[in-house]
Amino acid sequence: SQTIHQWPATLVQPVGSPLSLECTVEGTSNPNLYWYRQAAGRGLQLLFYSVGIGQISSEVPQNLSASRPQDRQFILSSKKLLLSDSGFYLCAWIFYSGGSAEQYFGPGTRLTVT
Amino acid sequence: AQKITQTQPGMFVQEKEAVTLDCTYDTSDPSYGLFWYKQPSSGEMIFLIYQGSYDQQNATEGRYSLNFQKARKSANLVISASQLGDSAMYFCAMRETGYGGSQGNLIFGKGTKLSVKP
Repeated sequence: SQTIHQWPATLVQPVGSPLSLECTVEGTSNPNLYWYRQAAGRGLQLLFYSVGIGQISSEVPQNLSASRPQDRQFILSSKKLLLSDSGFYLCAWIFYSGGSAEQYFGPGTRLTVT
Repeated sequence: AQKITQTQPGMFVQEKEAVTLDCTYDTSDPSYGLFWYKQPSSGEMIFLIYQGSYDQQNATEGRYSLNFQKARKSANLVISASQLGDSAMYFCAMRETGYGGSQGNLIFGKGTKLSVKP
């Protein structure tokens, strides 16, 4: 079965520090991968998506970046965190079955920038 | 323009009763998919149910059913026989599968917080 992992689960970082969040997927190959951010009490915002190794598309201009060094690994980074980067970060992948596509999420990383 | 609208920021329901969570959407893409997710306080996003725009019948998954009214562009989630464990945030989402979507990503509504009372 397919599973998706994220770490760390929680993170507290000072303003201006770097960030690296990791997402890995098991049980599938060449998945479409996504990074979403959820600010407190709000819906999800798509940040980046990737259809393959080295292929990254950005949906929202910001001080974050993403990389996909391996087929099943998706990394979200920042060189200098801002207070507004606080939130819940979710990695997701799409599972295609017949005529439908279902998007499954990892457990998330709760980031607090102080 | 907002593509997914959930007009109920919060809902209360008595345990064992049914509840309907509203969702309307806006798209010019003839091919699209509609999703509902549950997010408990732990933060994980749990897939509940999917409805394709060309599906003739309303989707059902256990106690969850999707009341799909294409002409009205609504995709309400119905939870039957509510349980205390159903208390969570519920998000409606849409994926445009034609020329409008970015490789299958989902557009989410702002969510509805459901509280089930014992």
